[in-house]
Amino acid sequence: GENVEQHPSTLSVQEGDSAVIKCTYSDSASNYFPWYKQELGKGPQLIIDIRSNVGEKKDQRIAVTLNKTAKHFSLHITETQPEDSAVYFCAATIGGGADGLTFGKGTHLIIQP
Amino acid sequence: DAGVIQSPRHEVTEMGQEVTLRCKPISGHDYLFWYRQTMMRGLELLIYFNNNVPIDDSGMPEDRFSAKMPNASFSTLKIQPSEPRDSAVYFCASSLGQPGGAFFGQGTRLTVV
Repeated sequence: GENVEQHPSTLSVQEGDSAVIKCTYSDSASNYFPWYKQELGKGPQLIIDIRSNVGEKKDQRIAVTLNKTAKHFSLHITETQPEDSAVYFCAATIGGGADGLTFGKGTHLIIQP
Repeated sequence: DAGVIQSPRHEVTEMGQEVTLRCKPISGHDYLFWYRQTMMRGLELLIYFNNNVPIDDSGMPEDRFSAKMPNASFSTLKIQPSEPRDSAVYFCASSLGQPGGAFFGQGTRLTVV
């Protein structure tokens, strides 16, 4: 089955700096890669996603890149703000997308004021 | 739309008791997923439905777990009998089409003592 590795497990950055979280996946048939943000006591919230026919996608301060050959994708947050502090999860579809998602273990992002 | 609604938010029960978790997906969504989140194992897919039909339950840990979706607006996850190792946060999520971004509920925090 699909295996998703996520690094780092904890990331601390100064407010205003950029943060990068990286994920690798094992199933070459995976074709959809969402990123979720989870705040304490809440469910994961979809923040951005990318499909296998696209290499990069941007939404304001958040961007995601995908390298299908290397089977890795990354989340980039620029100009970080205190409200960006949360746990971030990457995910990949199991197989060709007919099934659910396999999630990475999460990255605890801490924005230092 | 109010999003995915789960109940109860918190459940404390004694070992051996039956537990039923409930979910109302986003109206119009045709996929419904049940996930379990623990510190040790992260987010795990338990089962998912498409148009009310169970498609893949390979993630259900044991026969003590069962899930139903009697109609497009309601699903249950039942554990009978419950055990302390079932303690976790259980999330329901729904999506439209595949692959698609799943929207998560707030979760049910289950504690089995």
